[in-house]
Amino acid sequence: DAGVTQSPTHLIKTRGQQVTLRCSPKSGHDTVSWYQQALGQGPQFIFQYYEEEERQRGNFPDRFSGHQFPNYSSELNVNALLLGDSALYLCASSFLLTRRDTEAFFGQGTRLTVV
Amino acid sequence: AQRVTQPEKLLSVFKGAPVELKCNYSYSGSPELFWYVQYSRQRLQLLLRHISRESIKGFTADLNKGETSFHLKKPFAQEEDSAMYYCAPNQAGTALIFGKGTTLSVSS
Repeated sequence: DAGVTQSPTHLIKTRGQQVTLRCSPKSGHDTVSWYQQALGQGPQFIFQYYEEEERQRGNFPDRFSGHQFPNYSSELNVNALLLGDSALYLCASSFLLTRRDTEAFFGQGTRLTVV
Repeated sequence: AQRVTQPEKLLSVFKGAPVELKCNYSYSGSPELFWYVQYSRQRLQLLLRHISRESIKGFTADLNKGETSFHLKKPFAQEEDSAMYYCAPNQAGTALIFGKGTTLSVSS
């Protein structure tokens, strides 16, 4: 099991462009959560997907959207990129409800730089 | 609103010294408490969870529901403990919410 994999690892985009980041969860996991981690900060929760639906969302604008596919993989889309969107984007997978203490497994992240 | 406070941004200690990383939380309901760790150039990973009452790499964490705190402790710090530590309360069916993290630096 490769664990959680994210692609690409690095990305440079121009302000105003759109970007799509991808995540494959750990085998068997049904839930994917996305986080934004600015330099020197803790991960900020963006949203969580389960059964192909967004079930929880953090304090992020509608420019941030996502999708979950039937195989549980997920995409994070960001439209109209701003310089402030530059960050490490983390994907985490877990089981949603099968256990009370669901451990989240994280990918290595996608480093997005907006210029 | 859910909130996690880790008051120390940086904690510097010498090898062999005791370590305590503080965490206070404000969370509706009865969350489970976790500590996650991020070593240099490694991905974020679970260090320990309160429900397991376990000691991992010599670390333990005490939950004080009255004070809503979940401090992480280790009696004798090692250089390999240098990392970023995040406290995270969680309820089943919800996403992890992280504090801003504490950088632990252990020097010889």
